[in-house]
Parts: sequence; structure tokens; C-alpha cells
Amino acid sequence: GQNIDQPTEMTATEGAIVQINCTYQTSGFNGLFWYQQHAGEAPTFLSYNVLDGLEEKGRFSSFLSRSKGYSYLLLKELQMKDSASYLCAVTDSNYQLIWGAGTKLIIKP
Amino acid sequence: IAGITQAPTSQILAAGRRMTLRCTQDMRHNAMYWYRQDLGLGLRLIHYSNTAGTTGKGEVPDGYSVSRANTDDFPLTLASAVPSQTSVYFCASSDGHRSTDTQYFGPGTRLTVL
Repeated sequence: GQNIDQPTEMTATEGAIVQINCTYQTSGFNGLFWYQQHAGEAPTFLSYNVLDGLEEKGRFSSFLSRSKGYSYLLLKELQMKDSASYLCAVTDSNYQLIWGAGTKLIIKP
Repeated sequence: IAGITQAPTSQILAAGRRMTLRCTQDMRHNAMYWYRQDLGLGLRLIHYSNTAGTTGKGEVPDGYSVSRANTDDFPLTLASAVPSQTSVYFCASSDGHRSTDTQYFGPGTRLTVL
């Protein structure tokens, strides 16, 4: 079966750095997305990785290792507005997105 | 720029009733999707459409139907609602259905079936 694993919840302090991990087992791989979802709102796109390595975009970076079936989202200089759920999703061999359950990130002052 | 709109925002529905959730996008995207999101579970694909006039089944299609008469609209119908269909429903669209195409989401419809 297809499976994406993320921690259910994480807590971090304002101004700090946090790493949210995602491991996947899917039928084929055509890319990995990270989305942010604030409570009661729609998911919004953060990043896309298809090749191994680190993609940096401002305070957010995303890393991919295809051989390990592993990705992480790194958030630096955390702000209170970063409190949200972070969703990992993989495009499988049929070009359909398989979604993880999401990681709820709680930021404390 | 509206992007994707969904209606209604929320709805309480008696079991056995028929309900259509509306979704409209103004980005001229070819592909559209319907997901449901339940606590503790990832987004699950119900139905999708890669282009106007075509539809396909996702992971959890039973009890739902869709149509794609034109590019902009992609309604989701529950023929006879059951309590297990209580969920938050998101409509999404993307320019195409390639692996690199980002999906953009509507604000969601919160549906409660009693």
C-alpha cells in the first residue's frame, strides 16, 4: 500500500528553528509537495522537490532524499503566524497526489 | 481575483437527502479535484477531472458523483447522504495533471450529516 508518515504534532519556540520530517512509501515517485494549512482554512503551496537536495525559499527550506524515501521541511526564525499544520504529499506513478495526515506545529512565545 | 470559490461554506444535512457542493474556478485550469479531509487522516481524493468533459474516480468515490460540463465548474453530488460523509470538502484545481503542477484549493465546505 501507499503510505506517508509525519509526526502528528510538534512544539517549538518563537525565533527558533524546527524540522518537520516526512517519510513515504508509494508506487512510483514523481515529486513531493509541502503545503501549509492554518486552522479552518485551505491548504496553500509551500514547496516542491523532485530532485535530491535542499530547496531554499526565504525562511522555509525543503529537503529530499529519494533513495531514503525521506523529506523534511525546515522553518527558521519561527513566527507566531507559522502555527499551522504542514502537509506532505507525494505524486505517485499515476500522477495522483498521496497526502500525509499533516503535522500540527504549535509555536510558543 | 477570486481563484476558487466553494458553496455553501457549511451545511447541516439530514441523512438520506441529496446535496450538491459547488466549485467554480476562474483560473482557466484544466484539472480539478474533490477531496475530503477528516481529523487524523490525510486529504483523500474523491473524484478528479483532467479536462472538461472527463472525470475519474479517486481513492474514496463511493456515494459521490461529479460532472465537468465546462472548464470552470466541478460540482460534487451526494445522492443520498450518510453520517460517514460528515467531513470538510475541498475543491482544488491545477493547470494540468503533471507531477509539477501545483494544486490550488478552495476555502472548503464543512458538511455535517445527521
